[in-house]
Amino acid sequence: GENVEQHPSTLSVQEGDSAVIKCTYSDSASNYFPWYKQELGKRPQLIIDIRSNVGEKKDQRIAVTLNKTAKHFSLHITETQPEDSAVYFCAASTDQTGANNLFFGTGTRLTVIP
Amino acid sequence: DSGVTQTPKHLITATGQRVTLRCSPRSGDLSVYWYQQSLDQGLQFLIQYYNGEERAKGNILERFSAQQFPDLHSELNLSSLELGDSALYFCASSVDLSGGETQYFGPGTRLLVL
Repeated sequence: GENVEQHPSTLSVQEGDSAVIKCTYSDSASNYFPWYKQELGKRPQLIIDIRSNVGEKKDQRIAVTLNKTAKHFSLHITETQPEDSAVYFCAASTDQTGANNLFFGTGTRLTVIP
Repeated sequence: DSGVTQTPKHLITATGQRVTLRCSPRSGDLSVYWYQQSLDQGLQFLIQYYNGEERAKGNILERFSAQQFPDLHSELNLSSLELGDSALYFCASSVDLSGGETQYFGPGTRLLVL
Protein backbone atom coordinates (compact mmCIF):
# COMPACT_ATOMS: atom_id res chain seq x y z
CA GLY A 1 0.00 0.00 0.00
CA GLU A 2 0.86 3.67 -0.06
CA ASN A 3 3.44 5.03 2.38
CA VAL A 4 3.60 8.78 3.01
CA GLU A 5 6.55 10.29 4.84
CA GLN A 6 6.48 13.84 6.18
CA HIS A 7 9.24 16.16 7.38
CA PRO A 8 9.96 17.90 9.63
CA SER A 9 7.95 16.64 12.58
CA THR A 10 8.22 20.03 14.31
CA LEU A 11 8.87 23.46 12.86
CA SER A 12 9.21 26.82 14.59
CA VAL A 13 9.31 30.04 12.63
CA GLN A 14 9.17 33.72 13.44
CA GLU A 15 5.98 35.53 12.55
CA GLY A 16 6.25 36.81 9.00
CA ASP A 17 8.72 34.15 7.88
CA SER A 18 7.92 31.30 5.52
CA ALA A 19 7.35 27.68 6.46
CA VAL A 20 7.90 24.66 4.22
CA ILE A 21 6.71 21.12 4.93
CA LYS A 22 7.73 18.25 2.67
CA CYS A 23 6.15 14.88 1.95
CA THR A 24 7.11 11.90 -0.16
CA TYR A 25 4.89 9.08 -1.32
CA SER A 26 5.62 5.60 -2.57
CA ASP A 27 2.73 4.63 -4.86
CA SER A 28 3.10 6.09 -8.33
CA ALA A 29 -0.64 5.54 -8.82
CA SER A 30 -1.47 8.20 -6.22
CA ASN A 31 -3.11 11.13 -7.92
CA TYR A 32 -4.62 13.33 -5.23
CA PHE A 33 -2.67 15.14 -2.53
CA PRO A 34 -4.53 17.16 0.10
CA TRP A 35 -3.14 19.06 3.05
CA TYR A 36 -5.05 19.25 6.31
CA LYS A 37 -4.61 21.60 9.26
CA GLN A 38 -5.56 20.33 12.68
CA GLU A 39 -5.78 22.51 15.74
CA LEU A 40 -5.59 20.90 19.15
CA GLY A 41 -8.60 18.68 19.78
CA LYS A 42 -10.30 19.75 16.56
CA ARG A 43 -11.10 18.08 13.28
CA PRO A 44 -8.63 18.06 10.39
CA GLN A 45 -9.59 20.78 7.96
CA LEU A 46 -8.63 20.81 4.31
CA ILE A 47 -6.53 23.85 3.49
CA ILE A 48 -5.37 23.08 -0.04
CA ASP A 49 -5.11 20.13 -2.39
CA ILE A 50 -3.45 19.29 -5.68
CA ARG A 51 -4.11 16.72 -8.33
CA SER A 52 -1.50 14.88 -10.33
CA ASN A 53 -2.14 16.82 -13.53
CA VAL A 54 -1.04 20.05 -11.86
CA GLY A 55 2.45 21.03 -10.70
CA GLU A 56 1.62 23.92 -8.44
CA LYS A 57 -1.39 25.50 -6.82
CA LYS A 58 -1.66 28.65 -4.77
CA ASP A 59 -4.32 30.08 -2.48
CA GLN A 60 -3.36 33.40 -0.92
CA ARG A 61 -0.49 32.67 1.50
CA ILE A 62 -0.56 28.93 0.94
CA ALA A 63 0.92 27.03 -1.98
CA VAL A 64 1.52 23.40 -2.78
CA THR A 65 3.98 21.98 -5.31
CA LEU A 66 4.04 18.48 -6.73
CA ASN A 67 6.89 16.62 -8.38
CA LYS A 68 5.45 13.40 -9.78
CA THR A 69 8.77 12.12 -11.04
CA ALA A 70 10.39 12.38 -7.64
CA LYS A 71 7.13 11.50 -5.86
CA HIS A 72 7.21 14.39 -3.48
CA PHE A 73 5.01 17.35 -2.69
CA SER A 74 5.45 20.35 -0.43
CA LEU A 75 3.36 22.89 1.44
CA HIS A 76 4.57 26.46 1.51
CA ILE A 77 3.12 29.03 3.90
CA THR A 78 4.32 32.60 3.45
CA GLU A 79 4.02 35.55 5.84
CA THR A 80 3.19 33.21 8.69
CA GLN A 81 0.88 34.39 11.45
CA PRO A 82 0.36 33.05 14.99
CA GLU A 83 -2.99 31.57 13.93
CA ASP A 84 -1.10 29.33 11.49
CA SER A 85 0.21 27.42 14.52
CA ALA A 86 -1.25 23.89 14.28
CA VAL A 87 -0.41 20.39 13.14
CA TYR A 88 -0.33 19.98 9.38
CA PHE A 89 -0.88 16.63 7.68
CA CYS A 90 -0.16 15.74 4.10
CA ALA A 91 -1.99 12.85 2.48
CA ALA A 92 -2.17 10.89 -0.74
CA SER A 93 -4.83 8.81 -2.39
CA THR A 94 -5.59 6.95 -5.57
CA ASP A 95 -8.83 5.87 -7.14
CA GLN A 96 -7.34 2.99 -9.04
CA THR A 97 -8.52 0.39 -6.55
CA GLY A 98 -12.07 1.66 -6.57
CA ALA A 99 -11.53 3.21 -3.18
CA ASN A 100 -9.97 6.55 -2.43
CA ASN A 101 -9.07 6.44 1.22
CA LEU A 102 -6.34 8.81 2.31
CA PHE A 103 -2.92 7.76 3.49
CA PHE A 104 -1.61 10.39 5.87
CA GLY A 105 1.86 11.54 6.79
CA THR A 106 2.76 11.66 10.46
CA GLY A 107 2.18 15.39 10.78
CA THR A 108 4.21 18.54 11.33
CA ARG A 109 3.65 20.66 14.40
CA LEU A 110 4.12 24.25 13.26
CA THR A 111 4.69 26.95 15.84
CA VAL A 112 4.69 30.58 14.74
CA ILE A 113 6.47 32.75 17.28
CA PRO A 114 5.02 36.27 17.58
CA ASP B 1 -18.70 23.20 10.35
CA SER B 2 -18.04 20.50 7.75
CA GLY B 3 -21.57 19.11 7.75
CA VAL B 4 -20.37 15.74 9.06
CA THR B 5 -21.71 14.91 12.50
CA GLN B 6 -20.45 12.39 15.02
CA THR B 7 -21.86 11.20 18.31
CA PRO B 8 -20.99 10.98 21.07
CA LYS B 9 -18.30 13.64 21.46
CA HIS B 10 -16.73 11.90 24.41
CA LEU B 11 -16.91 8.33 25.64
CA ILE B 12 -15.37 6.85 28.75
CA THR B 13 -15.57 3.13 29.27
CA ALA B 14 -13.74 0.21 30.81
CA THR B 15 -11.55 -2.46 29.32
CA GLY B 16 -13.47 -5.37 27.87
CA GLN B 17 -16.51 -3.28 27.05
CA ARG B 18 -18.12 -2.58 23.69
CA VAL B 19 -19.02 0.82 22.27
CA THR B 20 -20.67 2.16 19.13
CA LEU B 21 -19.65 5.38 17.45
CA ARG B 22 -22.04 7.04 15.05
CA CYS B 23 -21.42 9.21 12.01
CA SER B 24 -23.76 11.08 9.69
CA PRO B 25 -22.15 12.20 6.43
CA ARG B 26 -22.73 15.47 4.65
CA SER B 27 -25.96 15.64 2.73
CA GLY B 28 -25.41 13.98 -0.64
CA ASP B 29 -22.17 12.23 0.28
CA LEU B 30 -22.23 8.49 -0.36
CA SER B 31 -18.80 7.55 0.92
CA VAL B 32 -17.87 7.32 4.60
CA TYR B 33 -14.41 6.74 6.03
CA TRP B 34 -13.28 5.98 9.57
CA TYR B 35 -9.91 7.07 10.90
CA GLN B 36 -8.20 6.54 14.25
CA GLN B 37 -5.87 9.12 15.75
CA SER B 38 -3.96 8.02 18.82
CA LEU B 39 -2.11 10.45 21.08
CA ASP B 40 0.68 12.13 19.14
CA GLN B 41 -0.01 9.88 16.20
CA GLY B 42 -1.14 10.58 12.74
CA LEU B 43 -4.40 9.57 11.19
CA GLN B 44 -4.74 5.87 10.51
CA PHE B 45 -7.34 4.74 7.99
CA LEU B 46 -9.62 2.03 9.35
CA ILE B 47 -12.39 1.34 6.85
CA GLN B 48 -14.42 2.88 4.03
CA TYR B 49 -18.03 2.37 2.99
CA TYR B 50 -19.70 3.53 -0.17
CA ASN B 51 -23.47 3.53 -0.50
CA GLY B 52 -23.82 0.76 2.05
CA GLU B 53 -21.00 -1.47 0.84
CA GLU B 54 -17.53 -1.91 2.26
CA ARG B 55 -14.95 -0.60 -0.24
CA ALA B 56 -11.61 -0.56 1.52
CA LYS B 57 -10.04 -1.77 4.72
CA GLY B 58 -7.02 -0.37 6.45
CA ASN B 59 -5.40 -1.40 9.69
CA ILE B 60 -8.68 -2.24 11.37
CA LEU B 61 -8.54 -4.74 14.19
CA GLU B 62 -10.78 -7.80 14.10
CA ARG B 63 -12.40 -6.51 17.31
CA PHE B 64 -13.63 -3.52 15.32
CA SER B 65 -16.40 -3.56 12.76
CA ALA B 66 -18.46 -1.02 10.90
CA GLN B 67 -21.49 -0.70 8.72
CA GLN B 68 -23.29 1.89 6.65
CA PHE B 69 -27.06 1.98 6.75
CA PRO B 70 -29.58 2.75 3.97
CA ASP B 71 -29.86 6.35 5.19
CA LEU B 72 -26.04 6.49 4.72
CA HIS B 73 -25.15 7.03 8.35
CA SER B 74 -22.40 4.76 9.60
CA GLU B 75 -21.53 3.11 12.87
CA LEU B 76 -18.16 1.90 14.09
CA ASN B 77 -18.34 -0.85 16.69
CA LEU B 78 -15.41 -1.40 18.99
CA SER B 79 -15.49 -4.49 21.20
CA SER B 80 -13.31 -6.12 23.86
CA LEU B 81 -11.80 -2.70 24.39
CA GLU B 82 -8.21 -2.37 25.50
CA LEU B 83 -6.34 0.57 26.99
CA GLY B 84 -4.57 1.07 23.67
CA ASP B 85 -7.87 1.71 21.91
CA SER B 86 -8.06 5.10 23.60
CA ALA B 87 -7.95 7.58 20.74
CA LEU B 88 -9.82 10.13 18.70
CA TYR B 89 -12.01 8.48 16.11
CA PHE B 90 -12.87 10.57 13.09
CA CYS B 91 -15.40 9.96 10.43
CA ALA B 92 -15.08 11.65 7.05
CA SER B 93 -17.32 11.72 4.02
CA SER B 94 -17.01 12.45 0.33
CA VAL B 95 -19.37 12.53 -2.60
CA ASP B 96 -18.29 9.32 -4.29
CA LEU B 97 -15.30 7.15 -5.12
CA SER B 98 -13.70 9.31 -7.76
CA GLY B 99 -10.07 10.09 -7.23
CA GLY B 100 -9.55 13.55 -5.91
CA GLU B 101 -12.77 13.86 -3.98
CA THR B 102 -12.39 16.07 -0.96
CA GLN B 103 -12.96 14.31 2.33
CA TYR B 104 -14.71 16.35 5.01
CA PHE B 105 -14.05 15.36 8.58
CA GLY B 106 -16.46 15.27 11.46
CA PRO B 107 -15.59 16.64 14.93
CA GLY B 108 -14.49 13.24 16.18
CA THR B 109 -15.34 11.02 19.13
CA ARG B 110 -12.79 10.96 21.92
CA LEU B 111 -12.70 7.48 23.43
CA LEU B 112 -11.02 6.85 26.76
CA VAL B 113 -10.68 3.27 27.92
CA LEU B 114 -9.87 2.91 31.61
